[in-house]
Amino acid sequence: KAGVTQTPRYLIKTRGQQVTLSCSPISGHRSVSWYQQTPGQGLQFLFEYFSETQRNKGNFPGRFSGRQFSNSRSEMNVSTLELGDSALYLCASSVAGGYGYTFGSGTRLTVV
Amino acid sequence: GQQLNQSPQSMFIQEGEDVSMNCTSSSIFNTWLWYKQDPGEGPVLLIALYKAGELTSNGRLTAQFGITRKDSFLNISASIPSDVGIYFCAGQTYNTDKLIFGTGTRLQVFP
Repeated sequence: KAGVTQTPRYLIKTRGQQVTLSCSPISGHRSVSWYQQTPGQGLQFLFEYFSETQRNKGNFPGRFSGRQFSNSRSEMNVSTLELGDSALYLCASSVAGGYGYTFGSGTRLTVV
Repeated sequence: GQQLNQSPQSMFIQEGEDVSMNCTSSSIFNTWLWYKQDPGEGPVLLIALYKAGELTSNGRLTAQFGITRKDSFLNISASIPSDVGIYFCAGQTYNTDKLIFGTGTRLQVFP
């Protein structure tokens, strides 16, 4: 059974650019959550999608957005990148949310 | 952002020793989870707790859901080198699917 797949693994972007990260959940999992991990703030919840609908949202600016497709794959987008957006972005999937989240290996984003 | 208080921040122990770490919150949670994260990887679920007072084991790992629902602890017995990593607690409430993570405990095991 394939795990949660995140692409790309590493990304370097320039301030002001935008970026799109992709997450393919475990087959059959319909809930996808996104987290940002930084040394200073730790693991912080960004948002959660279930059946193409955003169910929960964390305290991040509107530059951070996401979506989920009918096959449960999810993307998150960050516009107008800032240096502070440099982080490990983690995706987690679950059958229906609530418990049993499985994390991917993450996308390491560096903003220069 | 919100983080749970996790202690200790780091531990340096000898192989074979037991380890104990805990997590506290000012809020009540309905679920407590413990994860381990290796460098360059995402967190891996170790133990999930769903009921106040619950004590659950997974091999050499034992975790308990505090009776007040505001704390949890994780014990690792007879540590081995592959236990090295960062351990995170996470709390979750019924009305939301988001996890609130602890600040992490970095474990180093020396042979």
